[in-house]
Amino acid sequence: GQQVMQIPQYQHVQEGEDFTTYCNSSTTLSNIQWYKQRPGGHPVFLIQLVKSGEVKKQKRLTFQFGEAKKNSSLHITATQTTDVGTYFCAGPGDGGGADGLTFGKGTHLIIQP
Amino acid sequence: EAQVTQNPRYLITVTGKKLTVTCSQNMNHEYMSWYRQDPGLGLRQIYYSMNVEVTDKGDVPEGYKVSRKEKRNFPLILESPSPNQTSLYFCASSLKGFGGYTFGSGTRLTVV
Repeated sequence: GQQVMQIPQYQHVQEGEDFTTYCNSSTTLSNIQWYKQRPGGHPVFLIQLVKSGEVKKQKRLTFQFGEAKKNSSLHITATQTTDVGTYFCAGPGDGGGADGLTFGKGTHLIIQP
Repeated sequence: EAQVTQNPRYLITVTGKKLTVTCSQNMNHEYMSWYRQDPGLGLRQIYYSMNVEVTDKGDVPEGYKVSRKEKRNFPLILESPSPNQTSLYFCASSLKGFGGYTFGSGTRLTVV
């Protein structure tokens, strides 16, 4: 079945440094979604990318979808303590998301003040 | 407030004692899913539902049942829980199955 791989598993940064997490799918995706889970919390939807080569920004967060629609990245500029958490990418099944999502294992972002 | 509500938040039970984790959403979403989250394994889908009376297996359905008799409710049933079902469970819903899922706050289940 579909596999979604995410690296790195953990990332330690100093506050103010940049952070990037990478996501790769074993199959071409119709879309890719990103979620953030704070410690002790639940996943919260951040964004969905649909088009090949798409780039979207949310303040200090930049999301990219690869040209082949098999990879994606999330980049955070100048991290803040509020960015702490685990970032997941997720790809839909054949139903485009109607049959749920396959999640990467996530990247835990740890920020040292 | 638009939300997905799961109950209970925490549950400790014994092996073999049937239990139900409830999930309810107030957003009129058609698509609902259950996931379990385990350290090092991430989020894995247990079951999903595309509409009332339409459910199907996800990646790890063994030992679980679901039902979708009403649009808003999607309970997860463990007929005979075992210790390997100790996990953090999340229910999620989506309007279109596209454009993001809203997750509940989670149920931490311990089976002893």
